[in-house]
Amino acid sequence: IQMTQSPSSFSASTGDRVTVTCRASQGISSYLAWYQQKPGKVPKLLIYAASTLQSGVPSRFSGSGSGTDFTLTISCLQSEDFASYYCQQYHTFPFSFGGGTKVE
Amino acid sequence: QVQFMESGGGVVQSRKSLRVSCETSGFTFNYYAMHWVRQAPGQGLEWVALISYDGKYQYYADSVKGRFIISRDNSKNTLYLDMNGLRGEDTAVYYCVSGGRLVTSHLEFWGQGTLVTVSS
Repeated sequence: IQMTQSPSSFSASTGDRVTVTCRASQGISSYLAWYQQKPGKVPKLLIYAASTLQSGVPSRFSGSGSGTDFTLTISCLQSEDFASYYCQQYHTFPFSFGGGTKVE
Repeated sequence: QVQFMESGGGVVQSRKSLRVSCETSGFTFNYYAMHWVRQAPGQGLEWVALISYDGKYQYYADSVKGRFIISRDNSKNTLYLDMNGLRGEDTAVYYCVSGGRLVTSHLEFWGQGTLVTVSS
């Protein structure tokens, strides 16, 4: 299953509302996760099952969608949110990641 | 606390073999499926392989199928990845990642990674 994220990168400012989209090449129900990776750091799970916030993740992060179209929203961008974001499907093997979205 | 310690990375010649390991602690290792995920320098994440909690089932990315073998030793709380026929495109940081009880679960906890560099 091909996972396509858009945009691949964009510029934003602190306080902005940010939306990243992820499209699956076939239906994956809600078997979708979002990960955040800061430069030189290990990826971190943000959201799983398309919309369930991982414990400890700030509530400004939210996820939505099912089937083939998904979004990650950051309601009010903070300085620590400048990072790369990846979606990943775990519905069908081989699992696959999107190409990533860098928020600059 | 949960700790995953990958080891075994390094520089290896093309077409040779290498084993990387992931020793875990503070974690009920034998309850969870485990994954390897890799990231080439400056690139995105690529899922590599999964093994079920009991070692009975393994799944692989098409790019490594037939060359890599994922295994685990639940008595040692350790995950392995045997990499054979290495190619330049296998150069990456290899992360050990926990899954769920079911194989179709999200990836939860990530180790720090070990760098594998394949030279020609």
